[in-house]
Amino acid sequence: DTAVSQTPKYLVTQMGNDKSIKCEQNLGHDTMYWYKQDSKKFLKIMFSYNNKELIINETVPNRFSPKSPDKAHLNLHINSLELGDSAVYFCASSQGFSATGELFFGEGSRLTVL
Amino acid sequence: AQKITQTQPGMFVQEKEAVTLDCTYDTSDPSYGLFWYKQPSSGEMIFLIYQGSYDQQNATEGRYSLNFQKARKSANLVISASQLGDSAMYFCAMREGPVTNAGKSTFGDGTTLTVKP
Repeated sequence: DTAVSQTPKYLVTQMGNDKSIKCEQNLGHDTMYWYKQDSKKFLKIMFSYNNKELIINETVPNRFSPKSPDKAHLNLHINSLELGDSAVYFCASSQGFSATGELFFGEGSRLTVL
Repeated sequence: AQKITQTQPGMFVQEKEAVTLDCTYDTSDPSYGLFWYKQPSSGEMIFLIYQGSYDQQNATEGRYSLNFQKARKSANLVISASQLGDSAMYFCAMREGPVTNAGKSTFGDGTTLTVKP
């Protein structure tokens, strides 16, 4: 039983299209995140939600819109895709947002924009 | 200023030997956590080890230990008895307290470790 699962694992799409990535965790955690890993493997946080409320929004273009329908789910919708959006997007979860507690990552969703 | 610095883009180690991956951090928050994650070529992120800022002893998890030097703001990962399966990218990360940073984890640029047979 996968703890943090993301779908789809791969997306290939044209510039200008809209796409969504879904994430679900069955760990009972109350905090979920989206991270972007670029082609140089740099990992950068995009968003964080705690109990469905947005707590971190890291100057991400407003083409990116996260949605958390409940604390077990965090989805990412991207409008008007650009070439620079090509990356691996990781969903993660943790219990709370204190300084302790590791992140549990999903397998990643590789987005390729042509 | 970079909060997490990993100065070794790539490292090589002979199988069965020990290797140290460097990590320095910068924070003014007295409460923080330091983490190491492994990313093999298959792409998943695997948590390895955690050290809390108030922990007096260095963390250990099997073949992994964290050499925590608070005054120097360093949190180096030591892998003992390297195995071929240890070949991967390793990320150092820091979480500051909820007041400072809402528990955001900041990652270093990573170190690619190659274990030679």
